[in-house]
Amino acid sequence: GENVEQHPSTLSVQEGDSAVIKCTYSDSASNYFPWYKQELGKRPQLIIDIRSNVGEKKDQRIAVTLNKTAKHFSLHITETQPEDSAVYFCAARGGKLIFGQGTELSVKP
Amino acid sequence: DTAVSQTPKYLVTQMGNDKSIKCEQNLGHDTMYWYKQDSKKFLKIMFSYNNKELIINETVPNRFSPKSPDKAHLNLHINSLELGDSAVYFCASSRSEEQPQHFGDGTRLSIL
Repeated sequence: GENVEQHPSTLSVQEGDSAVIKCTYSDSASNYFPWYKQELGKRPQLIIDIRSNVGEKKDQRIAVTLNKTAKHFSLHITETQPEDSAVYFCAARGGKLIFGQGTELSVKP
Repeated sequence: DTAVSQTPKYLVTQMGNDKSIKCEQNLGHDTMYWYKQDSKKFLKIMFSYNNKELIINETVPNRFSPKSPDKAHLNLHINSLELGDSAVYFCASSRSEEQPQHFGDGTRLSIL
């Protein structure tokens, strides 16, 4: 069935460093790839998304890349700050939106 | 104004009871969803409604019954609650199935 694998499950970086989270998906019909940030005890919030006709999208310190051939997409956060600490979820939509397992990002000051 | 609002925020109840969670969105969206987030943080789709019509019904026990009286509301009724139902339940909505989803604040359900 449809599946989204996300790595790593935990990621610890120093403030100012970059963080990269990677996801792979199984449904080749997937055409929409959002990323959500969930702070402790809060709701998931969309931070960036990309559609299958685009290879890369950037919004300030956040960028997402998509490789449709490899069925692989990644989230890049540059100049990380302590407030970036949260759980990040990738997702891929073919017939329905399937979420990855989440990455707990910790940014140490 | 909260865009997607769920009530109650917390729900503590005994095993075997029946309970409901309500969800309302004021965004004018056509599609609404229910997700379950377990203790390992995994977000799993349960149901999806488009304009009051059920479009996704995952392999959820039939003790869970969604109801959409209109496209701004999607409620979730759970019968005969079990320990394994303890989780955070999130409601979400989107303009269409291919548009970004907006989540509510979640309902933390604890079964004693």
